[in-house]
Amino acid sequence: DVHLVESGGGLVKPGGSLRLSCAGSNFTFSTYSMNWVRQAPGKGLEWVSSINTRSNYIFYADSVKGRFTISRDNAKQSLFLQLNSLRVEDTAVYYCARVIQGGDFLFDLWGRGTLVIVSS
Amino acid sequence: QSVLTQPPSVSGTPGQSVTIPCSGSNSNIGSNYVYWYQHVPGTAPKLLIYRHTERPSGVPDRFSGSRSGTSASLTISGLRSEDEADYYCAARDAAVRGPVFGGGTKLTVL
Repeated sequence: DVHLVESGGGLVKPGGSLRLSCAGSNFTFSTYSMNWVRQAPGKGLEWVSSINTRSNYIFYADSVKGRFTISRDNAKQSLFLQLNSLRVEDTAVYYCARVIQGGDFLFDLWGRGTLVIVSS
Repeated sequence: QSVLTQPPSVSGTPGQSVTIPCSGSNSNIGSNYVYWYQHVPGTAPKLLIYRHTERPSGVPDRFSGSRSGTSASLTISGLRSEDEADYYCAARDAAVRGPVFGGGTKLTVL
């Protein structure tokens, strides 16, 4: 069964940092573009960042640009998100998501998410 | 505020059909494929519909999607209690580098 598992969330103070990880299993991770999507409490889904298979096309939502960094390690079937200069409004469940093959840039597989709480 | 507009909630009784609308614009729904996701809080969101009308393997044919102009809809027929979840529409948008989502619709099976 293919799946994605996120980890690394937790409680952090404003201005702090966290590194999220996402491990892919039972599929060829290196052939898929990957994304991070978040959901703040009581809110809808918000796209955060995307990275292609070779890490040479990387994009961020304006709300996180300059503070978050996406990366991947295909050999370890892993996706990462470095969160710096965290703000209260970054509090959310962060999901990693696999991009469907075929160029649509939407997702066919998601993880269960990891919760990030930014609070003093 | 989400780019795509969905009603916050819909409800139905077992066996009924419900339709969840999703409204966008020419830069998203009007020019790109629409996807639908089912999300039970605490679990991984699940792809229900892709490319307006297609179902991944394993998704029952009770779930169907459509698109007309800048609007799309998800119809669930033969409602079951296990269909209770949040449903999100999504599409690429020419104005942003990533997808845009609806605010989500909570389906209650009475």
